[in-house]
Amino acid sequence: ETGVTQTPRHLVMGMTNKKSLKCEQHLGHNAMYWYKQSAKKPLELMFVYNFKEQTENNSVPSRFSPECPNSSHLFLHLHTLQPEDSALYLCASSPQDRNQETQYFGPGTRLLVL
Amino acid sequence: AQSVTQLDSHVSVSEGTPVLLRCNYSSSYSPSLFWYVQHPNKGLQLLLKYTSAATLVKGINGFEAEFKKSETSFHLTKPSAHMSDAAEYFCVVSDMNGNKLVFGAGTILRVKS
Repeated sequence: ETGVTQTPRHLVMGMTNKKSLKCEQHLGHNAMYWYKQSAKKPLELMFVYNFKEQTENNSVPSRFSPECPNSSHLFLHLHTLQPEDSALYLCASSPQDRNQETQYFGPGTRLLVL
Repeated sequence: AQSVTQLDSHVSVSEGTPVLLRCNYSSSYSPSLFWYVQHPNKGLQLLLKYTSAATLVKGINGFEAEFKKSETSFHLTKPSAHMSDAAEYFCVVSDMNGNKLVFGAGTILRVKS
């Protein structure tokens, strides 16, 4: 597939659990993104990091906590989620957070919150 | 604010016939526009992008799209559908400040044998 990998590919968790999603890109990019894809809704941008600094938080609830320790890795820490948070979470990367640059997507983590 | 409208939620064609997936955009400036494809259980793959160069953009797998400013459209076409084209297609516009992508709702393409 692409140079963006995501683990795990599937995750089932209870509302009281704490889990983390991991994204890694092998493309030498400096910008990374988290998106949420829910059934029957357009993809929603959640967070943007550029050179490890968060440049966008799209009004995401605090039960989602991103972490970008370096330009190659991006995490999404999850705690006390709700059933409506069940969705496909997609990670993407691009050379930088600039207009016109192509974003490359990972395969996603399908999350089910019980 | 930028937005895109994909005019059909589902399109069904026979193998070997032309494909047309429609997209209209709204933007207060000259936008960057993209088409992405998502096969089942896979991530999004870029098909093609328009960035103010040639208005007819050729992409992978025989797809192309034409940017028409007067109609604010960016329709995706392919002369002859293949079974492997069955997937969901997203029309996307890029924000002028940074690289925030705004996605359309998607069009599911079904290809009949």
